[in-house]
Amino acid sequence: GQQLNQSPQSMFIQEGEDVSMNCTSSSIFNTWLWYKQDPGEGPVLLIALYKAGELTSNGRLTAQFGITRKDSFLNISASIPSDVGIYFCAGQPISDSWGKLQFGAGTQVVVTP
Amino acid sequence: EAGVTQFPSHSVIEKGQTVTLRCDPISGHDNLYWYRRVMGKEIKFLLHFVKESKQDESGMPNNRFLAERTGGTYSTLKVQPAELEDSGVYFCASSQGGPGTNEKLFFGSGTQLSVL
Repeated sequence: GQQLNQSPQSMFIQEGEDVSMNCTSSSIFNTWLWYKQDPGEGPVLLIALYKAGELTSNGRLTAQFGITRKDSFLNISASIPSDVGIYFCAGQPISDSWGKLQFGAGTQVVVTP
Repeated sequence: EAGVTQFPSHSVIEKGQTVTLRCDPISGHDNLYWYRRVMGKEIKFLLHFVKESKQDESGMPNNRFLAERTGGTYSTLKVQPAELEDSGVYFCASSQGGPGTNEKLFFGSGTQLSVL
């Protein structure tokens, strides 16, 4: 089946640094989503991308939907301690019904003061 | 407005036992999804309800898993008998709206299931 490759697996960064992570797929998606999971909580949607080439920002977060529709990246600028958590990319396959998402394995972000 | 609620938050059972997980979606949300994350891996789709009907259950691992959504409100996911590989975090999500609406999915906090 389809597989999403998310990298890096984990990141240890200092407060104030920028963070970048990405996901690639062997298949085309018509939607890319980025979620964050805080400890003990469920994933919360950060950014949704619906068009190839789309670049969207949400505060210090910026994400892009790749032109080939097979990849996406998420950048976090000027990281702060509350950015700690697991970040997941998710794609909506063209052939599947809405909500049947495919997720990456997550990027664990640790921010040190 | 209350979010998606899952119960219990943690469950530790022995291999061969039965466990039932419950999910209360956001009121008025017709779509209800079950997902599972096995340690360190991706979150995987299990199944999708539209109201009380199973829209897609292609992600259910095997026939030891049974999901129901009687009356189209809350849903239960029963694992019987549980095996070691069933351990993981089970997430429930809900969304409003029908096909083509691209409605946002709201996730619950998950049930951490440990099978010993």
